[in-house]
Amino acid sequence: EAQVTQNPRYLITVTGKKLTVTCSQNMNHEYMSWYRQDPGLGLRQIYYSMNVEVTDKGDVPEGYKVSRKEKRNFPLILESPSPNQTSLYFCASSLATRPYSPLHFGNGTRLTVT
Amino acid sequence: KQEVTQIPAALSVPEGENLVLNCSFTDSAIYNLQWFRQDPGKGLTSLLLIQSSQREQTSGRLNASLDKSSGRSTLYIAASQPGDSATYLCAVPPWNQGGKLIFGQGTELSVKP
Repeated sequence: EAQVTQNPRYLITVTGKKLTVTCSQNMNHEYMSWYRQDPGLGLRQIYYSMNVEVTDKGDVPEGYKVSRKEKRNFPLILESPSPNQTSLYFCASSLATRPYSPLHFGNGTRLTVT
Repeated sequence: KQEVTQIPAALSVPEGENLVLNCSFTDSAIYNLQWFRQDPGKGLTSLLLIQSSQREQTSGRLNASLDKSSGRSTLYIAASQPGDSATYLCAVPPWNQGGKLIFGQGTELSVKP
């Protein structure tokens, strides 16, 4: 089944403890991207990748890192999480190198930083 | 800077009604416009993608139109059903901004039986 898989679905952590949210797609998609969704602010793009080893900042990249060493994986890294990074996170992918074809989303990761 | 607005934020209609959801964008230089559906606690599902050269796209009871000159798109849902209840979002990739994608804040639709 074609899908975008995020793990974990729920995560509670403490301020400053490094964490990684994984994202994997099995559709051989070129483009992958991370978003956070907050009440009243909607979906905001954190980082995106147009191909292996090609990543770029979205609108809210501060406090996050990403890497794209393989086509299928695009992990989101929080080196020193803070409470303002408590949010619902989504990973998405699309066939084209840019978001010019339909996006496929994962089911989300709900992160709480205390 | 591209901004995407969806009004109203919430909409409640009786089952069977035809309805229109609105999406406005400030810069007409876009590659395409996508409409998504989000169910509570779930990820987004792509419904329709309209290329900048197209005027509309249809899928089943859904019809999306695009008017770049006025910076507007509409999602028309025919004969609404309770199962259509969800949040509907639109998103645009701005011209010459790589892989960026800007979302509207969504319209929460409730279809009452």
